Amino acid sequence: DAKTTQPTSMDCAEGRAANLPCNHSTISGNEYVYWYRQIHSQGPQYIIHGLKNNETNEMASLIITEDRKSSTLILPHATLRDTAVYYCIVRKMKTSYDKVIFGPGTSLSVIP
Amino acid sequence: ETGVTQTPRHLVMGMTNKKSLKCEQHLGHNAMYWYKQSAKKPLELMFVYSLEERVENNSVPSRFSPECPNSSHLFLHLHTLQPEDSALYLCASSHTLQGAGGNTIYFGEGSWLTVV
Repeated sequence: DAKTTQPTSMDCAEGRAANLPCNHSTISGNEYVYWYRQIHSQGPQYIIHGLKNNETNEMASLIITEDRKSSTLILPHATLRDTAVYYCIVRKMKTSYDKVIFGPGTSLSVIP
Repeated sequence: ETGVTQTPRHLVMGMTNKKSLKCEQHLGHNAMYWYKQSAKKPLELMFVYSLEERVENNSVPSRFSPECPNSSHLFLHLHTLQPEDSALYLCASSHTLQGAGGNTIYFGEGSWLTVV
């Protein structure tokens, strides 16, 4: 499976957009980019996923570069409740078995 | 509410006790997972089940014993644990094991285990 690298931590002012980068330079054509977040003491929460095109839902937007080697998760108007660890992972398309591995993620602190 | 429910949320047990963690999913999924998260560490995959059959045992010590009686329920039986086993234990489920593309993995809130 392709691996991802993310900054260890980031700060964002409340009300501003939070842009969380992820590098997945060895991603292959049959792998999706998934984002999860984990608020302290809770289970990871699914945010969004994408393959090639940019995606948007009620929580966030996902921007994937044309070469697919990196992506950015955008929280358009960060609130204090968005303080969490954000995980970027890559997952294969349908194969016999997809072992999902989480890295250390990015710890996002939203500052009042 | 993700549709994956874990009980108990908090458990304190002695090293000689036997206890169990329970997970139930209400999503109609066929695959279920146990993850462990120790303090300030990434999630570690422990066990994976598909249609009640174990397909992954990620070098987990035998003092952790999983059980999947049906596709909606998953247990983690604990016996003779060590203090270093204290962690957040997370259950998750997905429609199938087979890849991404809408086959999102959903997590429960976790069970905090303290071994004394």
